[in-house]
Amino acid sequence: DTAVSQTPKYLVTQMGNDKSIKCEQNLGHDTMYWYKQDSKKFLKIMFSYNNKELIINETVPNRFSPKSPDKAHLNLHINSLELGDSAVYFCASSQGGLAGQETQYFGPGTRLLVL
Amino acid sequence: GENVEQHPSTLSVQEGDSAVIKCTYSDSASNYFPWYKQELGKRPQLIIDIRSNVGEKKDQRIAVTLNKTAKHFSLHITETQPEDSAVYFCAADLITDTGRRALTFGSGTRLQVQP
Repeated sequence: DTAVSQTPKYLVTQMGNDKSIKCEQNLGHDTMYWYKQDSKKFLKIMFSYNNKELIINETVPNRFSPKSPDKAHLNLHINSLELGDSAVYFCASSQGGLAGQETQYFGPGTRLLVL
Repeated sequence: GENVEQHPSTLSVQEGDSAVIKCTYSDSASNYFPWYKQELGKRPQLIIDIRSNVGEKKDQRIAVTLNKTAKHFSLHITETQPEDSAVYFCAADLITDTGRRALTFGSGTRLQVQP
């Protein structure tokens, strides 16, 4: 009955590798997000999709590429991982299309450590 | 982009005392102000939110006040309990670096309730 789920929960990898994180929501929401939480706990939006369409694309390196195959799924692919990519990545979803003006429900997070 | 300032960064109170966390924002067009609680190693979870057409909202021991003129809002927790210990984030819908309106989070307040 998990509302927003992410896999994997932990990801430890070497610099230069490519990795993906998957997110799924079963709330029937139209909008999904990716956030990055750094070591100082600062939570910052990266991307947002509404019904599979990219609506928010913040100043994020091109190595990060989101993909939404359908409105219940939002994946994040990261190429050529760098040390600074180490963080917790949270997926979230909200009901309608007013990104930022609705309650957002967060997934459990993916803890990425780049060595 | 615009930001949300949150104070204090840490707060230690005795069990039973009240705790107050304050946030200020920069966009007079902001309309939505949620508060999230994040326990160690867990996801952020919404505890209360308020919209710009309301000045105060209460839910049991938790209340939020909003002063739109001064552009600040506050979280009040009364009769604190050890399980209230967590990091609390305020947020507001602001214009981001890329010109989109999105939920922007404060830097967090680590609340420690001493038994």
